[in-house]
Amino acid sequence: DAKTTQPNSMESNEEEPVHLPCNHSTISGTDYIHWYRQLPSQGPEYVIHGLTSNVNNRMASLAIAEDRKSSTLILHRATLRDAAVYYCIPSLMDSNYQLIWGAGTKLIIKP
Amino acid sequence: DGGITQSPKYLFRKEGQNVTLSCEQNLNHDAMYWYRQDPGQGLRLIYYSQIVNDFQKGDIAEGYSVSREKKESFPLTVTSAQKNPTAFYLCASSSDRGTEAFFGQGTRLTVV
Repeated sequence: DAKTTQPNSMESNEEEPVHLPCNHSTISGTDYIHWYRQLPSQGPEYVIHGLTSNVNNRMASLAIAEDRKSSTLILHRATLRDAAVYYCIPSLMDSNYQLIWGAGTKLIIKP
Repeated sequence: DGGITQSPKYLFRKEGQNVTLSCEQNLNHDAMYWYRQDPGQGLRLIYYSQIVNDFQKGDIAEGYSVSREKKESFPLTVTSAQKNPTAFYLCASSSDRGTEAFFGQGTRLTVV
């Protein structure tokens, strides 16, 4: 099974960019990388996903390494509302694209 | 507004009782999922369904049952066979495998 490695927690200052790393060295060429975030006692919220090339949307950017062994979620200007647990999740073709959840990174935003 | 609704938000159950958690979506999604989350942990898949009248076991299906009689609804029953049912339960839906999943707000089940 493909597994991901993320830092347990990270801190950032408000209004500064945040780079959340994820290692996924065992995924295959057809597996997507998804990012979700979860606030306390709420359901997860989709952030972004990609396969090979970098992706941008209104919430964030996803930079995927050329060898696909790692990726970085970029929040361009963090706000206090971005404080959450961020999950980097492989979606494996061999498992019908089921999402494989780890423990995620707890992002703390300092005012 | 389209979305996915779970009810109730909080649920208390006595040991030995079955309890059913509701999940309804009006997004016209084919795929629906049930997850369990324990404190400080990620989500673990209980059951999923990709089409009406069909569902598959996830990683931790023992002690749980589901049905998918309608596209919009995917109720989860926590049976007395589930040894440690106290947890946060999340329902999700997606239009297809591998696409963006939409989650409900969860049901927190406590066995008393």
